[in-house]
Amino acid sequence: NAGVTQTPKFRVLKTGQSMTLLCAQDMNHEYMYWYRQDPGMGLRLIHYSVGEGTTAKGEVPDGYNVSRLKKQNFLLGLESAAPSQTSVYFCATTVAEPNTEAFFGQGTRLTVV
Amino acid sequence: AQKVTQAQTEISVVEKEDVTLDCVYETRDTTYYLFWYKQPPSGELVFLIRRNSFDEQNEISGRYSWNFQKSTSSFNFTITASQVVDSAVYFCALSDTGRRALTFGSGTRLQVQP
Repeated sequence: NAGVTQTPKFRVLKTGQSMTLLCAQDMNHEYMYWYRQDPGMGLRLIHYSVGEGTTAKGEVPDGYNVSRLKKQNFLLGLESAAPSQTSVYFCATTVAEPNTEAFFGQGTRLTVV
Repeated sequence: AQKVTQAQTEISVVEKEDVTLDCVYETRDTTYYLFWYKQPPSGELVFLIRRNSFDEQNEISGRYSWNFQKSTSSFNFTITASQVVDSAVYFCALSDTGRRALTFGSGTRLQVQP
């Protein structure tokens, strides 16, 4: 039972390159999220999904796209990476029941040079 | 809009001291949920506790205790007899009943010196 798995764990991109971060969960959770963590700012919500085939914007969505074609996977795409997207990215999942915690992946450290 | 403030950026204590991490939140919702997460140097996020807005009971779990006060919109976290292993960044977070996303504070870095 792996929980929430993020791929890759580390990546260095050149400005303008594209990439996709994969979040896979085996907990059958409905809700999935992508956050970014920058020094001194806590985690901020990029995009989220409340179920297969649905996605919505969070607080900092610019420069990112997402897809949730399968319930267990939530993909985060960077079409044209910028240095401002250098960050640690966390995926999280939870169930629809409100009084439950979110489960986080181990994080992806992305550097854009 | 929701907001979480952790005014203490960094705290340094000596082992066995007690330490309190402050968390103040803002929300217009009448039903909401509060959480504390720990981020050790290894980087993962570890869930510590959750509280809903209708449950103001304080909670104690071993050396950890939490004080939730709706009147002051605070959800403070106390570590008793701190240990070096408690060294981490601690995040307070708030969620609603809708999208369930977390609004995080900026975190408090706790350093426990031996």
